[in-house]
Amino acid sequence: KAGVTQTPRYLIKTRGQQVTLSCSPISGHRSVSWYQQTPGQGLQFLFEYFSETQRNKGNFPGRFSGRQFSNSRSEMNVSTLELGDSALYLCASSYNIGGSTGELFFGEGSRLTVL
Amino acid sequence: GENVEQHPSTLSVQEGDSAVIKCTYSDSASNYFPWYKQELGKGPQLIIDIRSNVGEKKDQRIAVTLNKTAKHFSLHITETQPEDSAVYFCAASLGGGGNKLTFGTGTQLKVEL
Repeated sequence: KAGVTQTPRYLIKTRGQQVTLSCSPISGHRSVSWYQQTPGQGLQFLFEYFSETQRNKGNFPGRFSGRQFSNSRSEMNVSTLELGDSALYLCASSYNIGGSTGELFFGEGSRLTVL
Repeated sequence: GENVEQHPSTLSVQEGDSAVIKCTYSDSASNYFPWYKQELGKGPQLIIDIRSNVGEKKDQRIAVTLNKTAKHFSLHITETQPEDSAVYFCAASLGGGGNKLTFGTGTQLKVEL
């Protein structure tokens, strides 16, 4: 079974630009979560989508947004990039559909550098 | 919101020794506590988890203990091997629908030959 696929793996942008990152979950997984990983702040939750609806949201500004498509693939967008947005963006999918938190399967991440 | 503290930030052990990583959480309503291992250039991978109705769980060389009263949980790795070298993250979740995890800051474990 294929794992979580994230594209692109690496990208460089300049301040003020916007970026879109893509995530294809494991087949059958309907939950997709996004995390930002930086050396200073560690792993921070951005948002989670389930059946095309945002189910949870972290404490990030409105410049960070996401969506999920009917095939469970997800995208996240960051507008008006700032230097501090440089990070590894991790996508994770999960099978759980009930009230209990389940195992997250992470992709290898998209490393964004903002110059 | 939930806050998870993790110690130590770095840990160096000799091959064959045991390693212990400790975490504390702030929200007593948290009910799910996973541990993830992240190798260089890869995403985190679940190695073991525990729910609040269980005090201890073991899987071969890895065990996790949970003390709900103290809001404290720990990862124990016995008979460490070089391939155990990685960054380990603890996390906590309130459950209630959804997969929002609050992670600790990570422990860089180095197993020396």
